[in-house]
Amino acid sequence: EAGVVQSPRYKIIEKKQPVAFWCNPISGHNTLYWYLQNLGQGPELLIRYENEEAVDDSQLPKDRFSAERLKGVDSTLKIQPAELGDSAVYLCASSLGGGGTYEQYFGPGTRLTVT
Amino acid sequence: AQSVTQLGSHVSVSEGALVLLRCNYSSSVPPYLFWYVQYPNQGLQLLLKYTTGATLVKGINGFEAEFKKSETSFHLTKPSAHMSDAAEYFCAVRAKVGNEKLTFGTGTRLTIIP
Repeated sequence: EAGVVQSPRYKIIEKKQPVAFWCNPISGHNTLYWYLQNLGQGPELLIRYENEEAVDDSQLPKDRFSAERLKGVDSTLKIQPAELGDSAVYLCASSLGGGGTYEQYFGPGTRLTVT
Repeated sequence: AQSVTQLGSHVSVSEGALVLLRCNYSSSVPPYLFWYVQYPNQGLQLLLKYTTGATLVKGINGFEAEFKKSETSFHLTKPSAHMSDAAEYFCAVRAKVGNEKLTFGTGTRLTIIP
């Protein structure tokens, strides 16, 4: 069974440029998460989807970040415009369900460097 | 809101020695507790989790953790460290009711000394 797929793995952009990250969750997983992981820190939730619906986006900086999950499968996270402080690893995870003890499966992440 | 504190951002142990990574949680009611491992340039992988019932939880790769309500702790242990255990370890907590967000600690980097 294929795991969570993310692309690109690495991205270097100049500040003020736009950038997009793509995630393909494990087949059959209804819940999809985007996390931000700063260097030396644990992941922090940005947004959670149940199928196509964003059910928790309270930590997503909506002035510059946006996300979508078309048809309840793949998801894209976008930053426009990027700032120096956005340099981090962006992790995507998926699970069968959204609560309780459902295990979250993580992708390898996209490492973003903003110069 | 729940939170976790991991004591020691870096831990070094000799190969074959006991591994002990500390995690304390803060929550009004006992939550679900998790340990994840992250190898360089990879995503997180679940090692073990505590939900209900037996307080000693066994996970993959020989790791185990014990839930101690009186100490609000969920420390991770392994009797004998192996070189392949070198990685970053994260403790995480999730409320059993209400807010379902998984909250991670800041992580502990484990180094194995040959």
